[in-house]
Amino acid sequence: NAGVTQTPKFQVLKTGQSMTLQCAQDMNHNSMYWYRQDPGMGLRLIYYSASEGTTDKGEVPNGYNVSRLNKREFSLRLESAAPSQTSVYFCASSSSGGGETQYFGPGTRLLVL
Amino acid sequence: SQQGEEDPQALSIQEGENATMNCSYKTSINNLQWYRQNSGRGLVHLILIRSNEREKHSGRLRVTLDTSKKSSSLLITASRAADTASYFCATASGYSTLTFGKGTMLLVSP
Repeated sequence: NAGVTQTPKFQVLKTGQSMTLQCAQDMNHNSMYWYRQDPGMGLRLIYYSASEGTTDKGEVPNGYNVSRLNKREFSLRLESAAPSQTSVYFCASSSSGGGETQYFGPGTRLLVL
Repeated sequence: SQQGEEDPQALSIQEGENATMNCSYKTSINNLQWYRQNSGRGLVHLILIRSNEREKHSGRLRVTLDTSKKSSSLLITASRAADTASYFCATASGYSTLTFGKGTMLLVSP
């Protein structure tokens, strides 16, 4: 039981490049989330998917797109990376939406030059 | 926007001492959760307390919730060096997703 996995662990991009962060969970959870964590800012929700086939914007969605590929996988895409998107990105899942306990992946550290 | 606000921002104690950190929030909640984050790692769920509960225990952790004051506290008893981490409260309101605070950094020195 791997829980929530994320790839890659580290990435360096140049401004304007694109990339996709991958997330998968093996807990048969319905809901999945993408957060970013910046120093002194705590966790901020980028997008979430309450169930397969649905996605919704969170607090800071600008510059990002998401795809809920199937029940297991939820990807985050940066179409044209900017230095302001330098951050640590966490994927999480929960059995259902709302205020259920969330289970987090190990994170992806992204540096945009 | 942040709903929960942890206090203090940082806390430094010796092994064996108790650590108390607080969380205040603004709107009514369904439940409040505490998470731990070791440096560079993902968050790990510690405990969930529902709005109709006042106190909950899990091992060396004790969580209290005062809905009249819109506040919660996390007590870690007999702290160990391995408890060194950041601790976040997260609130659940209505059908919304969790909202996380900015965290308390706990340093436990041997």
